[in-house]
Amino acid sequence: DVKVTQSSRYLVKRTGEKVFLECVQDMDHENMFWYRQDPGLGLRLIYFSYDVKMKEKGDIPEGYSVSREKKERFSLILESASTNQTSMYLCASSRGQGIHQPQHFGDGTRLSIL
Amino acid sequence: AQSVSQHNHHVILSEAASLELGCNYSYGGTVNLFWYVQYPGQHLQLLLKYFSGDPLVKGIKGFEAEFIKSKFSFNLRKPSVQWSDTAEYFCAGSAYTDKLIFGTGTRLQVFP
Repeated sequence: DVKVTQSSRYLVKRTGEKVFLECVQDMDHENMFWYRQDPGLGLRLIYFSYDVKMKEKGDIPEGYSVSREKKERFSLILESASTNQTSMYLCASSRGQGIHQPQHFGDGTRLSIL
Repeated sequence: AQSVSQHNHHVILSEAASLELGCNYSYGGTVNLFWYVQYPGQHLQLLLKYFSGDPLVKGIKGFEAEFIKSKFSFNLRKPSVQWSDTAEYFCAGSAYTDKLIFGTGTRLQVFP
């Protein structure tokens, strides 16, 4: 079974702080993704990565950056946290061979910015 | 622009009732479609997927979905729901890339 592990289930930070969310997958997947999940809006893609040191913007990248130094790890960075970034953040991974590969999700990090 | 829409935001059913959740997509050409489920406090998990071939796809836990190309639909069905089916259900699609576009989700509540 694929295991996608997010470092924290719950996180509380203050406005203006730099926040790091970590994600690790154990199946040697090429693709990794960061989403935020908000009620009534579903999942929205923030950033994704097809390979080490490679990143692409998703639909809502503003205020975020990412880092992928190793294949198994994909970090999401909130450069200067703001209250409108309070949300549930989901990490996912998938194999890179073809667009029909399903994504496997972590448990999520519920982030509150005060 | 590519999009996936779910029209049922909140569905309430009694156990043993039949379920159909709507999903419509707007994609040109080849499309891959998925249904994911998120049980309370758990991660999203794949229910079923459609890539090609038989438009009636069977998934886990008795769920199925039918791809109707002429209607741009991929509705999820289950003949008889259980209390344990209470969850949020997401339809998603992809075309040409590994990116998924998700619908806004449908919250299903099943009462005993």
